[in-house]
Amino acid sequence: TQLLEQSPQFLSIQEGENLTVYCNSSSVFSSLQWYRQEPGEGPVLLVTVVTGGEVKKLKRLTFQFGDARKDSSLHITAAQTGDTGLYLCAGAGGTSYGKLTFGQGTILTVHP
Amino acid sequence: DSGVTQTPKHLITATGQRVTLRCSPRSGDLSVYWYQQSLDQGLQFLIQYYNGEERAKGNILERFSAQQFPDLHSELNLSSLELGDSALYFCASSGTGTSGGRAVRDTQYFGPGTRLTVL
Repeated sequence: TQLLEQSPQFLSIQEGENLTVYCNSSSVFSSLQWYRQEPGEGPVLLVTVVTGGEVKKLKRLTFQFGDARKDSSLHITAAQTGDTGLYLCAGAGGTSYGKLTFGQGTILTVHP
Repeated sequence: DSGVTQTPKHLITATGQRVTLRCSPRSGDLSVYWYQQSLDQGLQFLIQYYNGEERAKGNILERFSAQQFPDLHSELNLSSLELGDSALYFCASSGTGTSGGRAVRDTQYFGPGTRLTVL
């Protein structure tokens, strides 16, 4: 069974601070996706990383896929209150075929 | 807007009843996935269909079943409902192709979900 350990589970910071969310596994994934989810709504795709060592930037968000494709991180620079939400990492591939294996999620709260 | 639609948005029913959740994938996507999200379990994969055929099964109960129709929309049927079935149910779609008979992984786009409440 493939597992994704996401940390931290909760993150409460002030506006303007930086933060990093980690996603780790002992399994190799062919790709890893990061989603953001608002309460009662569906996960919204932020990015997909495919290549080991890949770094993708989306404005203030930086996503990294580990060289061995077993781990990933999401770094947010100068967080804003609008960044508040649930962040989910999800791995695809390996023995999971088409399904996504989700991490437990990180609830981020950015205070003004 | 992901392009994936789900109906209904909310569903309230009683224990023992049966409900059907509907999903329309993004235009052109052949794969449909169903996920269940509860507070204590997070997002759990239930089942995948590709072009009308079941492709992968996850933690789906025997009381639950799904199908994908020729127009590629999918339905998730939940029967003999229990209190513990209360959750958000999400459908996702992807442009998954095949290679050597295996599904090729691709980015999944999620619908807005159906909130099921069993009383």
